[in-house]
Amino acid sequence: NAGVTQTPKFRILKIGQSMTLQCTQDMNHNYMYWYRQDPGMGLKLIYYSVGAGITDKGEVPNGYNVSRSTTEDFPLRLELAAPSQTSVYFCASTKAGGGQYFGPGTRLTVT
Amino acid sequence: GESVGLHLPTLSVQEGDNSIINCAYSNSASDYFIWYKQESGKGPQFIIDIRSNMDKRQGQRVTVLLNKTVKHLSLQIAATQPGDSAVYFCAENGGGSQGNLIFGKGTKLSVKP
Repeated sequence: NAGVTQTPKFRILKIGQSMTLQCTQDMNHNYMYWYRQDPGMGLKLIYYSVGAGITDKGEVPNGYNVSRSTTEDFPLRLELAAPSQTSVYFCASTKAGGGQYFGPGTRLTVT
Repeated sequence: GESVGLHLPTLSVQEGDNSIINCAYSNSASDYFIWYKQESGKGPQFIIDIRSNMDKRQGQRVTVLLNKTVKHLSLQIAATQPGDSAVYFCAENGGGSQGNLIFGKGTKLSVKP
């Protein structure tokens, strides 16, 4: 299994641009999550999904959108990038009641 | 509010010594706890977990202790190696059933050769 994969690894956006961060898992996990991690800080939950077709807001959802059309994929969309969205973004997945498995992250800079 | 916190932001140990990383949690509804290791430039890596019906769980060179009375969690690493240098996060589930976790800020472990 490849586990959780994320693309791209790095991205620089200008203010107001949009982009989609891709996340795919091949472990058949129902639960998937998007976090952001600011320097020297812990992880903040942006959005999560408990299964295909179901998404819900986490702690810091403003400025982001998600969709979950398949079990494997959980893309995160930034519509109007702002400097406050400069961060490292991690996608994770889990089966019910287990620990979360994380992808390698996407480092995003908005200037 | 409810939070997961760590007593020490940094910990420096000699190679070969044992390391103990501590974590306090305040959400009494939490019944599932996890320790993660995050190396520089990488995503968090699952180390070990424990449920609230246990007070100790052992893995390979790692042991997690849970004290529900004082809401305290610790990670013990035996014979610490340079490869153990990383930031360690504890996380709790807040009693939820949807797998959402609440993460602390992390403790940086540095291993001196």
